[in-house]
Amino acid sequence: NAGVMQNPRHLVRRRGQEARLRCSPMKGHSHVYWYRQLPEEGLKFMVYLQKENIIDESGMPKERFSAEFPKEGPSILRIQQVVRGDSAAYFCASSPSVGEQGNTIYFGEGSWLTVV
Amino acid sequence: AQRVTQPEKLLSVFKGAPVELKCNYSYSGSPELFWYVQYSRQRLQLLLRHISRESIKGFTADLNKGETSFHLKKPFAQEEDSAMYYCALRMDSSYKLIFGSGTRLLVRP
Repeated sequence: NAGVMQNPRHLVRRRGQEARLRCSPMKGHSHVYWYRQLPEEGLKFMVYLQKENIIDESGMPKERFSAEFPKEGPSILRIQQVVRGDSAAYFCASSPSVGEQGNTIYFGEGSWLTVV
Repeated sequence: AQRVTQPEKLLSVFKGAPVELKCNYSYSGSPELFWYVQYSRQRLQLLLRHISRESIKGFTADLNKGETSFHLKKPFAQEEDSAMYYCALRMDSSYKLIFGSGTRLLVRP
């Protein structure tokens, strides 16, 4: 099992461009989460998706950010018209199910976005 | 509001010394507590969770509901323990993890 795969690992964008971050969950996992880690801060929940459904996007900024998890293919976190404040590490995580105590969430290696 | 506090940004110890990374939480329900470790820009790896009460790489952590703490301890630190350590809380039957801001552990030779 290759684990949660994220790409790109590092992405540099100019202000105003779009950033697309991809995440392939672990095999057999249908639940995907995105977290953002700003410099010197802990990880903050952004969005939780199941296949073709956004379950909770309460942690995602209302504008410019969107996420999807299509029936086929990886989950995508999309940031339009990036600004310097979007520079952060974006971590994807997956789990086989939710709501069960002891259910482990597995993280990817993160995608580091730098906006110049 | 639910919160996880890791008061130390950096903890520096010498090899062989005991280590305690502090974690306090605020949550009125039944929490599930975790410790994750992140080695130099790698993925977060689950180190411990309180329900399994196991010891990984010599680390242990006990949930103290009275003090709302879940401190991570190791009696003898090794250089390879140098990493970022994150304490995280999951509320009952929830999917969200609430993370502390992390503590960087530096173990000096």
